[in-house]
Amino acid sequence: NAGVTQTPKFQVLKTGQSMTLQCAQDMNHNSMYWYRQDPGMGLRLIYYSASEGTTDKGEVPNGYNVSRLNKREFSLRLESAAPSQTSVYFCASSSGATRQYFGPGTRLTVT
Amino acid sequence: ELKVEQNPLFLSMQEGKNYTIYCNYSTTSDRLYWYRQDPGKSLESLFVLLSNGAVKQEGRLMASLDTKARLSTLHITAAVHDLSATYFCAVDISLNFGNEKLTFGTGTRLTIIP
Repeated sequence: NAGVTQTPKFQVLKTGQSMTLQCAQDMNHNSMYWYRQDPGMGLRLIYYSASEGTTDKGEVPNGYNVSRLNKREFSLRLESAAPSQTSVYFCASSSGATRQYFGPGTRLTVT
Repeated sequence: ELKVEQNPLFLSMQEGKNYTIYCNYSTTSDRLYWYRQDPGKSLESLFVLLSNGAVKQEGRLMASLDTKARLSTLHITAAVHDLSATYFCAVDISLNFGNEKLTFGTGTRLTIIP
């Protein structure tokens, strides 16, 4: 089992460019999440999906969109990147009321 | 708005000593999680606490939850170098299982010195 995988691992964007971060899990979990982690801070929830076909906003959704493509995959899109979106992005999944399993992260720099 | 505060934010402790990290939160919840993060790495789940009075132990780490006081503690016994990491608590206030929305504390960076 690979667990939670994320691509890419690193990305540099110019302001205004767009990109999609990919996340997949092979644990048959219903719930998936996107977080961002800024230096010296805890994680903040961007969006989550409690099941295939549903998505909801978290604490910091502005500037992002998500797609729950199927039960395995949950993508995060930045339509017009801004320097304030420079961060490490983590995807996670869970089966509900249990621990969340985190992916390795994507380090994004927006110049 | 839920606030989750950890203290201390930074902790240097000698090998072999005991210490406690505190996690306070500002609203009612009976679901709290502890995670560990090594530098440049992802988060690893340590404990899931799902009721008042819950206590979980693994190795030199023990976590507890007091929902009335809105307080969780992570106790380290006889610290060893391998425990050096940043520790996060996270609180879930969602109403439904399977729909949890975690609010993380800012983390406690723990350094164990010989």
